[in-house]
Amino acid sequence: DAGVTQSPTHLIKTRGQQVTLRCSPKSGHDTVSWYQQALGQGPQFIFQYYEEEERQRGNFPDRFSGHQYPNYSSELNVNALLLGDSALYLCASSLAGAYYGYTFGSGTRLTVV
Amino acid sequence: QKEVEQNSGPLSVPEGAIASLNCTYSDRGSQSFFWYRQYSGKSPELIMSIYSNGDKEDGRFTAQLNKASQYVSLLIRDSQPSDSATYLCAVVRMYSGGGADGLTFGKGTHLIIQP
Repeated sequence: DAGVTQSPTHLIKTRGQQVTLRCSPKSGHDTVSWYQQALGQGPQFIFQYYEEEERQRGNFPDRFSGHQYPNYSSELNVNALLLGDSALYLCASSLAGAYYGYTFGSGTRLTVV
Repeated sequence: QKEVEQNSGPLSVPEGAIASLNCTYSDRGSQSFFWYRQYSGKSPELIMSIYSNGDKEDGRFTAQLNKASQYVSLLIRDSQPSDSATYLCAVVRMYSGGGADGLTFGKGTHLIIQP
């Protein structure tokens, strides 16, 4: 039973560039959430996707956008990268109709230079 | 503004002792409560969930919830060096039709088990 998979594992980008991170949810899950975790901090909720629509959004600017595909996989896009966007980006999946908690992927470490 | 507060530590506990981790939350609408363990450089791993007031035990772990006081705690009995990690408290609101909001996390408590 595959868990949540994220790609790439590490990424280095330059300020002002754009980045796309990818996530495949755990088999049987239909909801995907994205989190940003800066060093020494807890994860911060970015947004959640369900039925290919953004269902809820945290306190993040419009530079952060996402997408969910019919197979439930998801992308996180960040435009006009800032140094402060350097963080571990976590994807978590869950099942909307039977909520037992979120399963996290191993994350993507983004470094902006 | 939903907030979850944790003592950042480090909390140092001798091997074999009980480690006690605490968390308070501001959103009274929170309905589900979680403890995640996170090793350095790794992603969070769910170790306990609790939904009702009282205690919930799972092996060496006991989660305690007091909704009136907006307080959640985690006890780790017979602490082992492998328990050394950051422990994240997270809370969430549930949707009436199923599913839940995004998790609100605390900053985590760094726990060190001394051999």
